[in-house]
Amino acid sequence: DAKTTQPTSMDCAEGRAANLPCNHSTISGNEYVYWYRQIHSQGPQYIIHGLKNNETNEMASLIITEDRKSSTLILPHATLRDTAVYYCIARDNYGQNFVFGPGTRLSVLP
Amino acid sequence: EPEVTQTPSHQVTQMGQEVILRCVPISNHLYFYWYRQILGQKVEFLVSFYNNEISEKSEIFDDQFSVERPDGSNFTLKIRSTKLEDSAMYFCASGRGDQETQYFGPGTRLLVL
Repeated sequence: DAKTTQPTSMDCAEGRAANLPCNHSTISGNEYVYWYRQIHSQGPQYIIHGLKNNETNEMASLIITEDRKSSTLILPHATLRDTAVYYCIARDNYGQNFVFGPGTRLSVLP
Repeated sequence: EPEVTQTPSHQVTQMGQEVILRCVPISNHLYFYWYRQILGQKVEFLVSFYNNEISEKSEIFDDQFSVERPDGSNFTLKIRSTKLEDSAMYFCASGRGDQETQYFGPGTRLLVL
C-alpha cells in the first residue's frame, strides 16, 4: 500500500502557484519522496524528488518539513497544461518499484 | 532528451490470444520495469528486470506473463493467453540504477475482447 496520503482533487487559477500537499508521517529516514504526474492517460512523468532538503528544478519546487512528515509540491506559475493527476510516492534506498496511490487531480482553471 | 518508447500505442486482441508489448528503454539505463493501469484505477507494478533476469515481481505477474530483453535495445512483455481483465494501459519504465528515478514510456493501450 502507498505510504502517502494526498487530497483527492484541487483547483488552481492559471498563472497562480499550485501547492499540492502530501502527508507521509510514517516514512523512514532513508525513504525519498518522489513526485510524478500523469496527464490524461499518458505515462507518469517524473517531476522531482527529495530526501530532507528542499529541492527545485525547472518544473517545480519540493518543500519537505523538518520532521519529514509532510511535503508540498509547488508549481510556481500553473498553466492549463499542468492539469493532471499528481502522485506523491515514498520509496526507500532498497526498493525498486514505485507504489502509486490515487494521487491528487489538479485542475488548472482559466 | 532521451525517452522511453513503446509500441504499439494501441492493441486490440481476442481473448486467449498471445500479445507482445515492446519497449525501448533509455539507452544507458540498466533497470527495466513494467507497470499497468486498468481504466480508472491506480498504476500497479508488474515486474522489474536487471542483468537479464527478473529481480522483483508482483502478485499480478503470474505464469501468463513473461519478460525478455531479446537484444541490446528492446524490452518486451508477453501475455500468453490474454483474458478480458488484462485490458489496461501498460507502461514500461527504465532507470540507471535500482535506486534511481524511473522514466516512463507513453504506454500501450491493450483491449482484450
